[in-house]
Amino acid sequence: QKEVEQNSGPLSVPEGAIASLNCTYSDRVSQSFFWYRQYSGKSPELIMSIYSNGDKEDGRFTAQLNKASQYVSLLIRDSQPSDSATYLCAVNYPGNQFYFGTGTSLTVIP
Amino acid sequence: NAGVTQTPKFRILKIGQSMTLQCTQDMNHNYMYWYRQDPGMGLKLIYYSVGAGITDKGEVPNGYNVSRSTTEDFPLRLELAAPSQTSVYFCASTGGADIQYFGAGTRLSVL
Repeated sequence: QKEVEQNSGPLSVPEGAIASLNCTYSDRVSQSFFWYRQYSGKSPELIMSIYSNGDKEDGRFTAQLNKASQYVSLLIRDSQPSDSATYLCAVNYPGNQFYFGTGTSLTVIP
Repeated sequence: NAGVTQTPKFRILKIGQSMTLQCTQDMNHNYMYWYRQDPGMGLKLIYYSVGAGITDKGEVPNGYNVSRSTTEDFPLRLELAAPSQTSVYFCASTGGADIQYFGAGTRLSVL
């Protein structure tokens, strides 16, 4: 069973704070992990991809991967109201099948 | 460069009707996918294709069919629409870097 679990939230943080989003996955053979942002009524857009254990930083976003714990996280530093959206964790299984979590709704309060 | 184009954007069907959701990509990607997203939920994989002439089932294929006669096109067919198929449908394609590019979505209501 290929499962991707996320806390559905909603998660509320004040502007300027750090938002922390978490994701766990069930299948150890997974090699590629992704965070997508989805605004209401829009299609998902890629924020980060991560393939190796450790941290990957891109601007205000940091993805963290721990394959031993089957855990992926996304940190958003200096959160802005424009970051308010649903964040989807996606895992790429062998055969290029992507499985998505249910998403975490984030609200950044000005 | 249009990316992934889905048509129509909105559609209302009556129970038992059929329709085809169109998806076209101009990035020469081999992999293409169809997902459905129910309110407040993540994306569920319906069907995917690894290249022209090759398709396979995802998590929730029942009630749907696909074909892939060209690299560019990956239509999704609903044969006998049911209320449970009311959802937003997204088509996506992937090149070599595992990054998915999504279309704008088709919002379907079955009444």
